[in-house]
Amino acid sequence: GALVYQYPRRTICKSGTSMRMECQAVGFQATSVAWYRQSPQKTFELIALSTVNSAIKYEQNFTQEKFPISHPNLSFSSMTVLNAYLEDRGLYLCGARDVGAGAETLYFGSGTRLTVL
Amino acid sequence: QQNVQQSPESLIVPEGARTSLNCTFSDSASQYFWWYRQHSGKAPKALMSIFSNGEKEEGRFTIHLNKASLHFSLHIRDSQPSDSALYLCAVRGLSGSFNKLTFGAGTRLAVCP
Repeated sequence: GALVYQYPRRTICKSGTSMRMECQAVGFQATSVAWYRQSPQKTFELIALSTVNSAIKYEQNFTQEKFPISHPNLSFSSMTVLNAYLEDRGLYLCGARDVGAGAETLYFGSGTRLTVL
Repeated sequence: QQNVQQSPESLIVPEGARTSLNCTFSDSASQYFWWYRQHSGKAPKALMSIFSNGEKEEGRFTIHLNKASLHFSLHIRDSQPSDSALYLCAVRGLSGSFNKLTFGAGTRLAVCP
């Protein structure tokens, strides 16, 4: 079946430092990957949509300068949170779309939980 | 900009009860509608989806969609403690080249034995 692995599961970083998180699709070809943030304020925000061989589309309030994303092939994507501050806390979820499954279902990883000190 | 809202924010029901979760959206051109379920510490997982007005039933779960009222809902019959989770609704608008799913903040359901 389709599985998505994210690592690390949790990370703690000092304010102003950066951290990188990774997303691995197993068992299917992830032609597009969506990065979301589930915040302590209980919102579930789309950060960006990444499609292989296409430009990455960032949502309002999120920029490439702050959240650079790499999506080099059909099984891997990574995102970095640069200069992390308190407002960047949350659970970062990677959702990969399996076009072979139809209906555009997103398969999510368990997320990377970011704590900023 | 799609706005997706869920209600209630949280819900506690006894085992065996019928549970109803609500989701409203703002883009009348929205095409696809999902319910995801996220157990504590786990990945959100697609539960059910619907693409046209009406109802769709799968086991104890039923989705009802009314595009004209910008509303869809999830009904759980004979709720079980294992149904306790965060339920997220998601909507995809009639977008261009981006398959963008907009999620609500979720309804946290607790089913007490």
